[in-house]
Amino acid sequence: KNEVEQSPQNLTAQEGEFITINCSYSVGISALHWLQQHPGGGIVSLFMLSSGKKKHGRLIATINIQEKHSSLHITASHPRDSAVYICAVRKLIFGTGTRLQVFP
Amino acid sequence: GAVVSQHPSWVICKSGTSVKIECRSLDFQATTMFWYRQFPKQSLMLMATSNEGSKATYEQGVEKDKFLINHASLTLSTLTVTSAHPEDSSFYICSAGQVVGRETQYFGPGTRLLVL
Repeated sequence: KNEVEQSPQNLTAQEGEFITINCSYSVGISALHWLQQHPGGGIVSLFMLSSGKKKHGRLIATINIQEKHSSLHITASHPRDSAVYICAVRKLIFGTGTRLQVFP
Repeated sequence: GAVVSQHPSWVICKSGTSVKIECRSLDFQATTMFWYRQFPKQSLMLMATSNEGSKATYEQGVEKDKFLINHASLTLSTLTVTSAHPEDSSFYICSAGQVVGRETQYFGPGTRLLVL
C-alpha cells in the first residue's frame, strides 16, 4: 500500500465545474504539499499546509491531520487548470497524481 | 516566487557517456537541494538530498557511484549521470529548499534525458 494515496486518478470536467481531489496518507507528517505538473513536466508548488485551510485564487487546500487527509478544490475550473495534481509529504513522498482535464 | 533553473532542459547522449545536469536557485540561497527522477506515467521519486558543503544522502536503491551529486555552493547543485545507459532515460527534476527542515521547496523545470 502506498504511503500517499490520491483519488481519483483521472478526472474530467466541464469548464466552470467545482473540482475536488483527495489525498490520504499513512505516515506522520509536519506538512503536506500540493503540486501541479504541466504536460511539459514543469512542477509548480501550489500549497504547503500543516493545518486548516489555505486559499489562493480559485484554489483551496484543506488538511485534517487527525484523519490524515487533505483535499484540493478548484472553483470555476478552466481548461488551463488541466494538469496533473500531486500531493506529497515529508521529503517528499509523492502520491501517484491526479490527471485533470477540463474541457471548454 | 523563488526561481530554480535547470540546465540543460533536455539532452540526448550515447550509451556509456556521462551527463551533467545543473540546478540553480536564482534568487535565494538553498541550503538543501533535492534530486528526483520521473519515469513516464509514474510519480516522482526522490533520488537524493544534498546539503551545501557535505555529501549527498541517497535514497535506497539509488547508486551513489552512478549518480554523482555535488552541492558546492548555496545556489548550485549538479547531478552527473555516469556511464549512462538507456534505462537511465528519464525526467530529472531538482528542487531547492531555503531552510533545512523547513518543507518549502521550489522546483526546477526538469531535464529530460534520452540515452541512445
